[in-house]
Amino acid sequence: GNSVTQMEGPVTLSEEAFLTINCTYTATGYPSLFWYVQYPGEGLQLLLKATKADDKGSNKGFEATYRKETTSFHLEKGSVQVSDSAVYFCALSTAATNAGKSTFGDGTTLTVKP
Amino acid sequence: GAGVSQTPSNKVTEKGKYVELRCDPISGHTALYWYRQSLGQGPEFLIYFQGTGAADDSGLPNDRFFAVRPEGSVSTLKIQRTERGDSAVYLCASSQDSSSYNEQFFGPGTRLTVL
Repeated sequence: GNSVTQMEGPVTLSEEAFLTINCTYTATGYPSLFWYVQYPGEGLQLLLKATKADDKGSNKGFEATYRKETTSFHLEKGSVQVSDSAVYFCALSTAATNAGKSTFGDGTTLTVKP
Repeated sequence: GAGVSQTPSNKVTEKGKYVELRCDPISGHTALYWYRQSLGQGPEFLIYFQGTGAADDSGLPNDRFFAVRPEGSVSTLKIQRTERGDSAVYLCASSQDSSSYNEQFFGPGTRLTVL
């Protein structure tokens, strides 16, 4: 079956620090990979995605590269801001598992201090 | 345009009671998903609809859980004989179709508490 393993949190950083949140996966078939973010008091929203190997998803200064050889999709940002404080979820979906149904990691809580 | 809406936002009920949770997807989205999220965990898939039919209900934990989408738009998740272990946030999401590469748009969730 499909599974996603995320770096355990919480993660606390100072403003302008470099961020990495690790994500590895196992999948039946060829997955699409996603990072979703949940800001305090808000619903889950897509941050970025990649649908094939070596693709890089990017948005709001965040990046993640689909690495098929290491089955990873690590999230990075060069300089975090206080407004990036949120919970981040790595997820995948595959056509083999009734397309669109997503498998999520347990989330990583990021707190950025001024 | 309007996003995915869910009602109620909070529901407190007693063990053994019946509850209904409603989801209003983004207009025109044919795929609709229900997930359950427990504290400190990621969303866990329950069921998804493509149009009016349940294309995959493999995530429903038992036969106390049932969901419908009679007109291919609004969906209702129904839980009979609620148990304390059903307490969680129930999330609904919709997407243009069920292609695996499509973004899912999530609602704010319904927090269910079973006393």
